[in-house]
Amino acid sequence: DSGVTQTPKHLITATGQRVTLRCSPRSGDLSVYWYQQSLDQGLQFLIQYYNGEERAKGNILERFSAQQFPDLHSELNLSSLELGDSALYFCASSVGVSGAQHFGDGTRLSIL
Amino acid sequence: KNEVEQSPQNLTAQEGEFITINCSYSVGISALHWLQQHPGGGIVSLFMLSSGKKKHGRLIATINIQEKHSSLHITASHPRDSAVYICAVRGSQGNLIFGKGTKLSVKP
Repeated sequence: DSGVTQTPKHLITATGQRVTLRCSPRSGDLSVYWYQQSLDQGLQFLIQYYNGEERAKGNILERFSAQQFPDLHSELNLSSLELGDSALYFCASSVGVSGAQHFGDGTRLSIL
Repeated sequence: KNEVEQSPQNLTAQEGEFITINCSYSVGISALHWLQQHPGGGIVSLFMLSSGKKKHGRLIATINIQEKHSSLHITASHPRDSAVYICAVRGSQGNLIFGKGTKLSVKP
């Protein structure tokens, strides 16, 4: 058990809809990272937050947004969903700005 | 050309064999990570390196910053080592760039 909790584990929705994925980092970790893993693209870094502030940004679409709350949990919002957004979304956390990351079990998003 | 290249893509070994997975990168980095992804999808961080060598049990990771190359070695491989091993580098802007992974299958 990594100590990182992601909910929900599975999500099935339709094109055009909006969903929110939630991540609770390991106790004491200040950084939260979001990743997308699709069959054709592999693992891609989306965004990192550190202590509530955006720290680094990767290949995150404009339809996607994220935030980290004062209690350090984070949410990834995906809107105007397209079939290509079907993927595994992972959250990870680390103590500092950079360092060993602990991964959650992922949220499997299926767009019908 | 991908910024992070792993080889081989697929690897089949017999139990007990010494295994090496390679990772080459073309960008400046502040750190390199080795990750293990199990068939069920879960990801475990194995190592984070910025120089030299690290060892954890039967796993050894090395990095050569000048040559922009890292290797992951598994000694005395076991079927439970079967997984996808992923190399990721942390760029100067803090972003992470992943290799496509090496699928390892260890036969008993």
